[in-house]
Amino acid sequence: DGGITQSPKYLFRKEGQNVTLSCEQNLNHDAMYWYRQDPGQGLRLIYYSQIVNDFQKGDIAEGYSVSREKKESFPLTVTSAQKNPTAFYLCASSSLAGYYNEQFFGPGTRLTVL
Amino acid sequence: QKEVEQNSGPLSVPEGAIASLNCTYSDRVSQSFFWYRQYSGKSPELIMSIYSNGDKEDGRFTAQLNKASQYVSLLIRDSQPSDSATYLCAVIGGRQFYFGTGTSLTVIP
Repeated sequence: DGGITQSPKYLFRKEGQNVTLSCEQNLNHDAMYWYRQDPGQGLRLIYYSQIVNDFQKGDIAEGYSVSREKKESFPLTVTSAQKNPTAFYLCASSSLAGYYNEQFFGPGTRLTVL
Repeated sequence: QKEVEQNSGPLSVPEGAIASLNCTYSDRVSQSFFWYRQYSGKSPELIMSIYSNGDKEDGRFTAQLNKASQYVSLLIRDSQPSDSATYLCAVIGGRQFYFGTGTSLTVIP
């Protein structure tokens, strides 16, 4: 089964903790993305990566970090510097091989700060 | 000005009616256009892609693109209660993906 997996589905963080959200894809996609969605809001881009060992900041990168050591994996760390991390986090991937590059999403991780 | 604009709604239609969702975009070089459906608490699901001017039909869904007017729409025929969701419009400009904030649709039985 090809697809994108995210874990955990729910995550609770205490103040001052760093937490890491996992994203794995077996679609052989080149590009991977992290978005944040707040209730009633649209998607905001945190980071994206188009190739292994390279990534770019999105619109709201402050307080987050990523790595792309393998093509199929793009973990997101929410650091203690992120002041309001409670949100729904979505990972997506797309192929860059063709002209039309739809993004496909994983099921998401819901992060709550206690 | 936002790259992609959608009416946030909510849009309510009776079961069996046609739901019309609209989206405008600002970048004239945008190449590809997408509609995603997002149920409450779930992740977005791609339902339609359109790249050329005109209409593209897939089952009860029709996407319409007018590049001169920078306008893309989604029509849902014979709307069902299961179509109740938020619909996100997305546009690719260069390699950058831009999402609208979504239109909430409720289909009333």
